[in-house]
Amino acid sequence: SYELTQPPSVSVSPGQTASITCSGDKLGDKYASWYQQKPGQSPVLVIYQDTKRPSGIPERFSGSNSGNTATLTISGTQAMDEADYYCQAWDSSSLYVFGTGTKVTVL
Amino acid sequence: QVQLVQSGAEVKRPGASVKVSCKASGYTFTSYGISWVRQAPGQGLEWMGWVSGYNGNTKYVQKFQGRVTMTTDTSTATAYMELRSLRSDDTAVYYCAREQVGTVTTSRMFDPWGQGTLVTVSS
Repeated sequence: SYELTQPPSVSVSPGQTASITCSGDKLGDKYASWYQQKPGQSPVLVIYQDTKRPSGIPERFSGSNSGNTATLTISGTQAMDEADYYCQAWDSSSLYVFGTGTKVTVL
Repeated sequence: QVQLVQSGAEVKRPGASVKVSCKASGYTFTSYGISWVRQAPGQGLEWMGWVSGYNGNTKYVQKFQGRVTMTTDTSTATAYMELRSLRSDDTAVYYCAREQVGTVTTSRMFDPWGQGTLVTVSS
């Protein structure tokens, strides 16, 4: 079965840039989405189709996807961005797969 | 606005069944599929399967085949997920989520999500 691997944790200082990676075999041939989940809340879509932001998501969230790695970048990280982040991909055989999740801590 | 509202928390004995509902509003129910995703305490997200809002077709993760049934009631715009033969490791928050398709058909994601339903399996 298809697997997506993320680092368990990422730490970032306020105002700095956080980069969260998501690795999978030929992930660049699929489309990646990213979700933010704060404690006790449901996940929220922050990036879809590799680079697109849904309405209402701040511009500081951006994404890329190439080769075997998709990346979520948070520029000018704020305390409110502290959360768990999950990548997700879809293909016609595995259907939906989630990454292992990354806890972002704003120090 | 688009909203998914789930039924309340459940406590079940091992071996029992649970049925969770997910009522949709703010969009045409039959135009979108609904997926079910669960999250065990302190763990990540696990996709369980999908049901079409249009015709009720389903796709389940092999791990849950034979134990899960996903259905819809278009008259009430409600999706259901029933999980049988519950075990302690089925204790989790169960989410429904609307399937969205991007500008290309191979770009698929979930938006929005329901508020989640905690299912606790304990003797």
